[in-house]
Amino acid sequence: SQQGEEDPQALSIQEGENATMNCSYKTSINNLQWYRQNSGRGLVHLILIRSNEREKHSGRLRVTLDTSKKSSSLLITASRAADTASYFCATGDSWGKLQFGAGTQVVVTP
Amino acid sequence: KAGVTQTPRYLIKTRGQQVTLSCSPISGHRSVSWYQQTPGQGLQFLFEYFSETQRNKGNFPGRFSGRQFSNSRSEMNVSTLELGDSALYLCASSPLAGGRSSYNEQFFGPGTRLTVL
Repeated sequence: SQQGEEDPQALSIQEGENATMNCSYKTSINNLQWYRQNSGRGLVHLILIRSNEREKHSGRLRVTLDTSKKSSSLLITASRAADTASYFCATGDSWGKLQFGAGTQVVVTP
Repeated sequence: KAGVTQTPRYLIKTRGQQVTLSCSPISGHRSVSWYQQTPGQGLQFLFEYFSETQRNKGNFPGRFSGRQFSNSRSEMNVSTLELGDSALYLCASSPLAGGRSSYNEQFFGPGTRLTVL
């Protein structure tokens, strides 16, 4: 079973625009992580936010976490064609088990 | 450092056969996890090993098993393959031991794509 649900399932934007995707989860968490996957390849870790953090930045990425609403969002600013990928949120326990959402497929057109 | 490596990258088997997949974690990483990815079920946790011990197991039948060696390399085995076992199998390693105060970032390999005919 999957812990998280992501919204939207798919997103199509033009280069330069911002992309926002949301993740909701069901149970209490130790941390929440975002990953990117290109065309069925391995997952690339983007950012980890701890349960006691509310916002985190990494380059063009901004992640927020609202534990009271059990939700998180990932914002990619100034999108590039190379950002085309599937993005997954995953809730982590302190022992290394990740539970993934279904993912958001992002297409960035030039 | 070299990343997580998985072998083989592609595999075709027939129903009823068994298969062994291999994963070499990043040097120094002692935790290795396995995930199955299918279009229907998405990414699902199989199991996690640390210091040759299985610490966590997902909801998969006993046909799925794994082990970890003293050098942290891990293998997973699927016996009596079924068509539904066709999937991308991903291995991930983590540098941290786990515990209440740790936050485990996972580093994934490229995966092994298994096709069962």
